[in-house]
Amino acid sequence: GQSLEQPSEVTAVEGAIVQINCTYQTSGFYGLSWYQQHDGGAPTFLSYNALDGLEETGRFSSFLSRSDSYGYLLLQELQMKDSASYFCAVGRGSQGNLIFGKGTKLSVKP
Amino acid sequence: GAVVSQHPSRVICKSGTSVKIECRSLDFQATTMFWYRQFPKQSLMLMATSNEGSKATYEQGVEKDKFLINHASLTLSTLTVTSAHPEDSSFYICSARDQESGNYNEQFFGPGTRLTVL
Repeated sequence: GQSLEQPSEVTAVEGAIVQINCTYQTSGFYGLSWYQQHDGGAPTFLSYNALDGLEETGRFSSFLSRSDSYGYLLLQELQMKDSASYFCAVGRGSQGNLIFGKGTKLSVKP
Repeated sequence: GAVVSQHPSRVICKSGTSVKIECRSLDFQATTMFWYRQFPKQSLMLMATSNEGSKATYEQGVEKDKFLINHASLTLSTLTVTSAHPEDSSFYICSARDQESGNYNEQFFGPGTRLTVL
């Protein structure tokens, strides 16, 4: 079977740091990605980890440990606009098809 | 950046009718497009992988005769929901890969189509 687990909700205050964890169990693995989706909007790509380690893009960083089937998204210097749902997704095949986790709703408070 | 459009954004139809949703990559060629379904406050469920010039690959449990996918060109894929019923009401989102992208898992999503079947 295939499953991705991530927390359903996280709340944090402006300026803080938050980490969203993702564990996965899939039949194939072609990297771990993170997507952001605001209410009513389309998902947008944030990051991609093919190999173990940390990838940094501005305020966002993503980490992968393939041996632990685990990754996380780290958001620093939180802003109100970061309030959204964040999905981890595993690449499953050579065509780039993705299996998404259930999403983590992040609420940033003043 | 790569842009994907989707049309219509919202459609309301009667039970038993068919609805066609178009997905276009506006500034890049997409040999592979994907169709997802999303229920309120839930995850994106991959329905099928659409390949230009060939048959779509459907995920387990998705009825290929009900959800017809055509990918006739490098910039256009269509999803037709045939004989729609109220349980087909959902948010349908397409995405496309840009082969030139260095990020293997990067998909560009359309804005989605809200389908309501009465």
